[in-house]
Amino acid sequence: EVQLVESGGGLVQPGGSLRLSCAASGFTFSAYAMSWVRQAPGKGLEWVSAISISGDATYYTDSVGGRFTISRDNSKNTLYLQMNSLRVDDTAVYYCARDPGISVFDIWGQGTMVTVSS
Amino acid sequence: DIVMTQTPLSSPVTLGQPASISCKSSQSLVHSNGNTYLSWLQQRPGQPPRLLIYQISNRFSGVPDRFSGSGAGTDFTLQISRVEAEDVGVYYCMQSTQFPLTFGGGTKVDIK
Repeated sequence: EVQLVESGGGLVQPGGSLRLSCAASGFTFSAYAMSWVRQAPGKGLEWVSAISISGDATYYTDSVGGRFTISRDNSKNTLYLQMNSLRVDDTAVYYCARDPGISVFDIWGQGTMVTVSS
Repeated sequence: DIVMTQTPLSSPVTLGQPASISCKSSQSLVHSNGNTYLSWLQQRPGQPPRLLIYQISNRFSGVPDRFSGSGAGTDFTLQISRVEAEDVGVYYCMQSTQFPLTFGGGTKVDIK
């Protein structure tokens, strides 16, 4: 079964750090670009970051640039999001999503909740 | 950034009746390669988003044929020919023509 499973969310104080992971299974992870998309409580979807198949190209939305780092380990079939200098407005469910090369998100994980609060 | 504007915000629909959602982009979504990267996603309550339509009008695998997409340039539409109970949720358009990728604000479809 094709699956993405996020982990690493939790409660963190403003200014703190978290690292999210997204474990892929059921497909050749190294053949797909990947993204992180977040959804604040009761709000819409916001794209956060994307990474190319090899990991040599990365992209970020302006609000997280310089604070978040996307990476991948194709040998471990895992996508990461290192989040530093977290702010209250980073509170959201974070989803990882697969891009099959036609600039769409065809497979989504169930999400992991990140709460930034003092 | 490309701004995606969806209307209506909410669409109460009678079972078996059609529904239509509009999505307008602040600039053309035609990529330099000629493709238009406009997709539609459905998010049922408590669930992650699910891909319905990609590149304007291509139904994703397993999506019922009552869902269809149309449009060009900056104006796009998602249509549900006959709404069923399982269609309740929030629908989003998304552009992936250029970074940052952006979503519409969402349209809530529920049953009257």
